[in-house]
Amino acid sequence: AQSVTQLDSQVPVFEEAPVELRCNYSSSVSVYLFWYVQYPNQGLQLLLKYLSGSTLVKGINGFEAEFNKSQTSFHLRKPSVHISDTAEYFCAVSDRAGKSTFGDGTTLTVKP
Amino acid sequence: ETGVTQTPRHLVMGMTNKKSLKCEQHLGHNAMYWYKQSAKKPLELMFVYSLEERVENNSVPSRFSPECPNSSHLFLHLHTLQPEDSALYLCASSQDDRDLEQFFGPGTRLTVL
Repeated sequence: AQSVTQLDSQVPVFEEAPVELRCNYSSSVSVYLFWYVQYPNQGLQLLLKYLSGSTLVKGINGFEAEFNKSQTSFHLRKPSVHISDTAEYFCAVSDRAGKSTFGDGTTLTVKP
Repeated sequence: ETGVTQTPRHLVMGMTNKKSLKCEQHLGHNAMYWYKQSAKKPLELMFVYSLEERVENNSVPSRFSPECPNSSHLFLHLHTLQPEDSALYLCASSQDDRDLEQFFGPGTRLTVL
């Protein structure tokens, strides 16, 4: 069994400030990790993914995430956010069979 | 059209109605998925189809009936729904059912009165 915990349901931040959205997971097998973004009235869009190799993964829109196996975390970061980054962010894990589990989501609100 | 499209985008129905949600993918993928996204709950996988065959059904009530006539189209037939079925229904596709990257449609916002 696998599970995902997004530690913050809402994250308000001012424009141009840095942000970190936290994600912890648990699994009895090796997993792959993902972050998706959902803008209002839209479906989910893949931001970045970790499959293997370097633990620091860079994604679209200036986001990056670091896989920490010992802490079973995959936190998402951006050094300077924009108003347009306001959205819902989902962390997800998949096992090698392709079964995906999603977190509850974190609402990022960027204020001017 | 590119990517994954869903129609209708919004649907309001009574508990005795029968309606269908449609999903179409233009990516040449072989696997398609239905998810339910309810407020304050994690995304729930409902059905997975690979090469038009259902490979996963996560204990979904029989009032939801999927249909996959070909690898590009996926339907979700709805009948005698309950108000708690109101949610955003998302369709996704991937190269195959073991491909880890899924491409999502915009969803259908369903309200059951």
